Amino acid sequence: GAVVSQHPSRVICKSGTSVKIECRSLDFQATTMFWYRQFPKQSLMLMATSNEGSKATYEQGVEKDKFLINHASLTLSTLTVTSAHPEDSSFYICSARVGGQNGELFFGEGSRLTVL
Amino acid sequence: GNSVTQMEGPVTLSEEAFLTINCTYTATGYPSLFWYVQYPGEGLQLLLKATKADDKGSNKGFEATYRKETTSFHLEKGSVQVSDSAVYFCALRGGGNKLTFGTGTQLKVEL
Repeated sequence: GAVVSQHPSRVICKSGTSVKIECRSLDFQATTMFWYRQFPKQSLMLMATSNEGSKATYEQGVEKDKFLINHASLTLSTLTVTSAHPEDSSFYICSARVGGQNGELFFGEGSRLTVL
Repeated sequence: GNSVTQMEGPVTLSEEAFLTINCTYTATGYPSLFWYVQYPGEGLQLLLKATKADDKGSNKGFEATYRKETTSFHLEKGSVQVSDSAVYFCALRGGGNKLTFGTGTQLKVEL
């Protein structure tokens, strides 16, 4: 199947700094990617839908100025957590869709962010 | 809104035991239903799916039947292996083509 890769897999940063997480589709082009956040023992929560060449669509309650999403190419979407705080510590997962609206989703390995 | 409820884990079984992981959902319309599996250190992978009522999804010995009358999509396997140890997520895709996930159930299979 298609491969989606995230980098870094783990990152620790100081409070107030910004962190960028990359999501790449390695063997296919993805016009749409999705960013999720997962808290311990909770389900994956969709944060935003990233569309190549246009602005991301954020879910209700997600601060767009806090979580900047850029999808500048068909194989790369980035999530930047700006001015990170300890409560932003979480597991962030991206996925990319192959095919049209009903296409299958392929997920990255996830990135664990710890803000000190 | 849409929601998915799955049994809490961890579920610990001996090899060759029968597995059931319960999943129920709430949704408007006719959602598609999925089971994803996440092996240690890897991303979520689609395990099986069903797109309409009474459909049975199956893969790698796992099965789940879309039951509209009970709004359920329970995952079953007749004989688990140590290599099945993973976290299993039930999910639905409804209007807007967005996936709604359950909380995940960790399965541990011991020799």
